[in-house]
Amino acid sequence: NAGVTQTPKFQVLKTGQSMTLQCAQDMNHEYMSWYRQDPGMGLRLIHYSVGAGITDQGEVPNGYNVSRSTTEDFPLRLLSAAPSQTSVYFCASSYSSSEKQYFGPGTRLTVT
Amino acid sequence: GNSVTQMEGPVTLSEEAFLTINCTYTATGYPSLFWYVQYPGEGLQLLLKATKADDKGSNKGFEATYRKETTSFHLEKGSVQVSDSAVYFCALSGPLNTNAGKSTFGDGTTLTVKP
Repeated sequence: NAGVTQTPKFQVLKTGQSMTLQCAQDMNHEYMSWYRQDPGMGLRLIHYSVGAGITDQGEVPNGYNVSRSTTEDFPLRLLSAAPSQTSVYFCASSYSSSEKQYFGPGTRLTVT
Repeated sequence: GNSVTQMEGPVTLSEEAFLTINCTYTATGYPSLFWYVQYPGEGLQLLLKATKADDKGSNKGFEATYRKETTSFHLEKGSVQVSDSAVYFCALSGPLNTNAGKSTFGDGTTLTVKP
C-alpha cells in the first residue's frame, strides 16, 4: 500500500491564481480530511469527508473547495490564492472517527 | 465545541531525562485521544492512542493514560533519546455518531533532546 499520497510537494503561486492539491489513499478509508499547518498554530481542519459524495466544512474553510467523487481521492481547490494561504497542507484518512489518522507527506504552498 | 490544550514549548532536555508533555481536553461524550509525532520535513504519524477512560496507550517507551476525571492525556517517557526530537501533537476525535471525521489538534510541542 502506498498509504496517503499528496501532490505536488512544493508549489509557488501568484495572488489570484487557482490550483488543486491532490490527495489519494489506497486503504479504502471512508474518512478523509484536509488540514493546514502554520507556525505556532498547530493543525487546523479545512474540510473533511465521511464518504464519497459527502463533505463538510472544518474550522477554516473560506477560500477552499473540496469534492469527493470516489473513496480514494479528495482534492482541495484554492479558488483565488491569497498570501494568507501560504502554509503546509496535510491530507489525512482514517477507517473511522475513533481510529488513527494516516497523514500524507504534505504540500508546502507559497503565495506571493 | 471540542478543544485541546497542550503544554507550550519548546522543551529542551538532556538525553536520558524524564519527559512530560501535558495535554488537557474539552469534549462532549467520550472522545478517543491520540498523540501524534512529526519529525522534521514529514507528515504526522500516530505515536499512541486511548479510546476509553483509564486506558493507557504506549509505544516506543512513551505512555499516556486517558484520565476522564481530570480530562487529561499527558505524554510521558522515562528516558528520552536524541532521536525523540520532534514536534508532538495531542488530538481528540469525536465519539461515534457525532463529529464524525473531525479531529481536534493541540498546537504542538517542540521537543529537542541534547546529547
